[in-house]
Amino acid sequence: ILNVEQSPQSLHVQEGDSTNFTCSFPSSNFYALHWYRWETAKSPEALFVMTLNGDEKKKGRISATLNTKEGYSYLYIKGSQPEDSATYLCAFGRDTGRRALTFGSGTRLQVQP
Amino acid sequence: DTEVTQTPKHLVMGMTNKKSLKCEQHMGHRAMYWYKQKAKKPPELMFVYSYEKLSINESVPSRFSPECPNSSLLNLHLHALQPEDSALYLCASSPGQGWEKLFFGSGTQLSVL
Repeated sequence: ILNVEQSPQSLHVQEGDSTNFTCSFPSSNFYALHWYRWETAKSPEALFVMTLNGDEKKKGRISATLNTKEGYSYLYIKGSQPEDSATYLCAFGRDTGRRALTFGSGTRLQVQP
Repeated sequence: DTEVTQTPKHLVMGMTNKKSLKCEQHMGHRAMYWYKQKAKKPPELMFVYSYEKLSINESVPSRFSPECPNSSLLNLHLHALQPEDSALYLCASSPGQGWEKLFFGSGTQLSVL
């Protein structure tokens, strides 16, 4: 069984705060790590796909880092806005020839105006 | 058009009913996926179609029957479901069955009575 753990499960911050969440995954046979944002009543939307140890990706105020040797990825949001309120999912891909992602349960972020 | 369209958005069915969920994309993607998600749990992979052929079946009970009539369409036929099958069913697509990002539909919320 492949475990992808996300922490915290939920987070409440004030508008303007910066925040970060963690995704932990098995460090063996790593191939890819995805981050998705899922707003209520909408479709999950891809933020980043990361494949290399040390990768850093940025999209506006959101950035992510990857450490494949120790099996974790951080997602950072700088200056949170109410529109950042969503569930953030990470998904891990293992290089075993079976091309399928395993998702974590997500971090639910609420940004208060 | 970067949309994945799922219908219906909501479905209530009895345990003796037969119903189908539909998913459509017009991005030319050759891989399509069905995921099942229960509240506060990670999305769980059910089936993957690659180039219209079933490539992954995650030991899903036979009361769920997938079908990929062409490269744009994916169906999930439901028959004799159980109340524990109540969940959000998400469809996704990707350019190929590699590690590219997934494009998700907004899901069908299924209730089995």
